[in-house]
Amino acid sequence: SAVISQKPSRDICQRGTSLTIQCQVDSQVTMMFWYRQQPGQSLTLIATANQGSEATYESGFVIDKFPISRPNLTFSTLTVSNMSPEDSSIYLCSVTEGGTDTQYFGPGTRLTVL
Amino acid sequence: GDSVTQMEGPVTLSEEAFLTINCTYTATGYPSLFWYVQYPGEGLQLLLKATKADDKGSNKGFEATYRKETTSFHLEKGSVQVSDSAVYFCALNNAGNMLTFGGGTRLMVKP
Repeated sequence: SAVISQKPSRDICQRGTSLTIQCQVDSQVTMMFWYRQQPGQSLTLIATANQGSEATYESGFVIDKFPISRPNLTFSTLTVSNMSPEDSSIYLCSVTEGGTDTQYFGPGTRLTVL
Repeated sequence: GDSVTQMEGPVTLSEEAFLTINCTYTATGYPSLFWYVQYPGEGLQLLLKATKADDKGSNKGFEATYRKETTSFHLEKGSVQVSDSAVYFCALNNAGNMLTFGGGTRLMVKP
């Protein structure tokens, strides 16, 4: 399976600032996704990152708050904008390869907002 | 819509005990079913999967069988180790790209 890395692995940020999280894959992949995992909770899909076009957001998530880029088939970014303490979570990217329905996850970015 | 229900944790076992974590699902059609594991401080790792009824997924001593008649995908291991302590997530993918996750079950194995 593809090897997925995320930067940063963790960060502590101040309220009102923004953080951009990078997801890099070592091979071209079909689909890329961004999830949020709030403390002690399960995963919630934020959006599907579409190569060369706007991301597809799930209910409850908007582009102004979580802008996403995917300039090519191996890289995507998620920005968490105008952060508040409620944004403290683990953010994970995932990918699928070759048209299969199996998702593989990156190691996650642990964000704490003070 | 689709949903996944897991037994609530934490599940606390002694080393070498038998493990069962229950997972049931609600979905139309024929979803693929997955178990993921999240070790402390890490992301999710795919543990096993099954794509059709009566398929058995297995990996690292863990097994789960896709039971369509009971809409279940229970995770089992015959003898757990301290290193198996983690959070386990059951999930389904129903003819699309979206994974639907259960709430997760924390397993704690004591020596």
